[in-house]
Amino acid sequence: SYELTQPPSVSVSPGQTAYITCSGDELGDKFASWYQQKPGQSPVLVIYQDAKRPSGIPERFSGSNSGTTAALTISGTQTMDEADYYCQTWDRTTEVFGGGTKLTVL
Amino acid sequence: EVQLVESGGGLVQPGGSLRLSCAASGFTFGDYYMTWVRQAPGRGLEWVATIKHDGSERYYVDSVKGRFTLSRDHATNSLFLHMDSLRVDDTAVYYCGRGSAASGIDHWGHGARVTVSS
Repeated sequence: SYELTQPPSVSVSPGQTAYITCSGDELGDKFASWYQQKPGQSPVLVIYQDAKRPSGIPERFSGSNSGTTAALTISGTQTMDEADYYCQTWDRTTEVFGGGTKLTVL
Repeated sequence: EVQLVESGGGLVQPGGSLRLSCAASGFTFGDYYMTWVRQAPGRGLEWVATIKHDGSERYYVDSVKGRFTLSRDHATNSLFLHMDSLRVDDTAVYYCGRGSAASGIDHWGHGARVTVSS
């Protein structure tokens, strides 16, 4: 079965750039999405189709996908960005999420 | 405003059944794939199932194949997940979502809690 691998945690200082990776076999040949989830809340889509940003998502969120790695970049990270982040893709008829990355802003 | 409201969660014994519903409003229901995603306590997101916009195809994670059935009713703009032979490891919050991995799940419900325990 297809798997996506994310680092369990990433730490960043306020105002700095956070970089969260997601690795999978030939992931660059597929579309990747990214979701933000804060404690006790439903997930929120922040990036879809590798690099598109839904309306209402701040410009500091951006995405890329090439080779075996997709990445979510948060420029000028704010304390409100502290959350769990999940990547997602699909392979044939199966969809899959990465294990999630806890972003700590301190 | 797009709204997705889940219902039908609860406590059920192992081997039992439950049907989750998701009432959709604020958009043309028949234009979108719909997806269920679950999250076990303290764990990450797990894709459960997706149904095409016209209901012609359904896709399931291996662990629920043969036990869960996904359906949709365009007359009532509702999505259903019928769960049979429930196991303890099916315990989770189940989210209804608009879309799929191809387009991104751009709206989510608040979730329905399912607890499988004796």
